[in-house]
Amino acid sequence: GENVEQHPSTLSVQEGDSAVIKCTYSDSASNYFPWYKQELGKRPQLIIDIRSNVGEKKDQRIAVTLNKTAKHFSLHITETQPEDSAVYFCAASIGVDYKLSFGAGTTVTVRA
Amino acid sequence: DAGVIQSPRHEVTEMGQEVTLRCKPISGHDYLFWYRQTMMRGLELLIYFNNNVPIDDSGMPEDRFSAKMPNASFSTLKIQPSEPRDSAVYFCASLERGEDTQYFGPGTRLTVL
Repeated sequence: GENVEQHPSTLSVQEGDSAVIKCTYSDSASNYFPWYKQELGKRPQLIIDIRSNVGEKKDQRIAVTLNKTAKHFSLHITETQPEDSAVYFCAASIGVDYKLSFGAGTTVTVRA
Repeated sequence: DAGVIQSPRHEVTEMGQEVTLRCKPISGHDYLFWYRQTMMRGLELLIYFNNNVPIDDSGMPEDRFSAKMPNASFSTLKIQPSEPRDSAVYFCASLERGEDTQYFGPGTRLTVL
């Protein structure tokens, strides 16, 4: 099955700086790549996603890039704010069955 | 819409007891997923249903775990007998065919003593 690896496991950034999280996937058939944000004690919530026919997608301060050849995708958060502190999960899906394989998560801490 | 609803939100039980977790998906969603989240293993897919039919239960850890979906608006995950290593947060998520987004419920935090 699909294997998703995520790095780094923890990330500490100064408020206003950028944060980048990287994920790799193993199955070249994967075509859907969502990113979820999970605040402490809360449910995972989708923040952005990308399909394999697109190389980059932006939504305000967050963006995701996809390199199909290298089988990796990244989350970029610019101008980080304290409310960006959370655990971020990447995931991959072949799409036909909607099954998601999740990365291990990255704990992001934004220092004021 | 109220979103995905799970109950109970917290459950504390003793080893050997039966535990039943409940989930109500978003109305109109035809896929339902059960996940387990622990520090050690992260988010694991246990089982998922399409139109109330179990499609893939390969993530169910042992025969002590079972899941049912008797109708489009209700699913249960049962653990019998429960063990301390089953302690985790169990999430239910639902999805509408043709869309990509899985919507998660608030989770049930299970503690087995």
